[in-house]
Amino acid sequence: DAKTTQPNSMESNEEEPVHLPCNHSTISGTDYIHWYRQLPSQGPEYVIHGLTSNVNNRMASLAIAEDRKSSTLILHRATLRDAAVYYCILRAPIQGAQKLVFGQGTRLTINP
Amino acid sequence: ETGVTQSPTHLIKTRGQQVTLRCSSQSGHNTVSWYQQALGQGPQFIFQYYREEENGRGNFPPRFSGLQFPNYSSELNVNALELDDSALYLCASSPRLNTGELFFGEGSRLTVL
Repeated sequence: DAKTTQPNSMESNEEEPVHLPCNHSTISGTDYIHWYRQLPSQGPEYVIHGLTSNVNNRMASLAIAEDRKSSTLILHRATLRDAAVYYCILRAPIQGAQKLVFGQGTRLTINP
Repeated sequence: ETGVTQSPTHLIKTRGQQVTLRCSSQSGHNTVSWYQQALGQGPQFIFQYYREEENGRGNFPPRFSGLQFPNYSSELNVNALELDDSALYLCASSPRLNTGELFFGEGSRLTVL
């Protein structure tokens, strides 16, 4: 399984943008980049995913480097509810396999 | 639309006992995965079920087994419980295979004494 590297923790202020980095230098050409987050006492929640192009949805944006060796999850305007552990995950599109390999993730703290 | 529900939410067992955890998948979802999350760690993949058959397994011993029923609900069974089995057990469902968009339940917290 290809590995990702994320900072252990980050801190930001409410209503400011947050950029969560992820390095994945061993990514293969067909690996998808997924982001999940886990709020306290809850199961993980899907945030966004992409392959090569930048992606936007109602929750966040995903910026993927041109060489695909890194990506950044962008929360445009953080709220207190965005405080969570954020996981960057690579997933090979093997038919039938939905195995997600979670690392330690980044614990995001939002200050009021 | 009802999300993924798991039961029980918390339970305590002693070493050597057996436990069954249950999961109702989200409506319309035919694939279920189970994950184990130890305290302070990310979730680890146990196995996946599709149309009542196991079709993917992580690095867990055979005493971890499962079932998927015709209505796509699922059970995780763990025999001969060990202290290290204490963890949050998460169930996730999805509407099809080969997707990375999973919908997780809130988990069952198992404590083994």
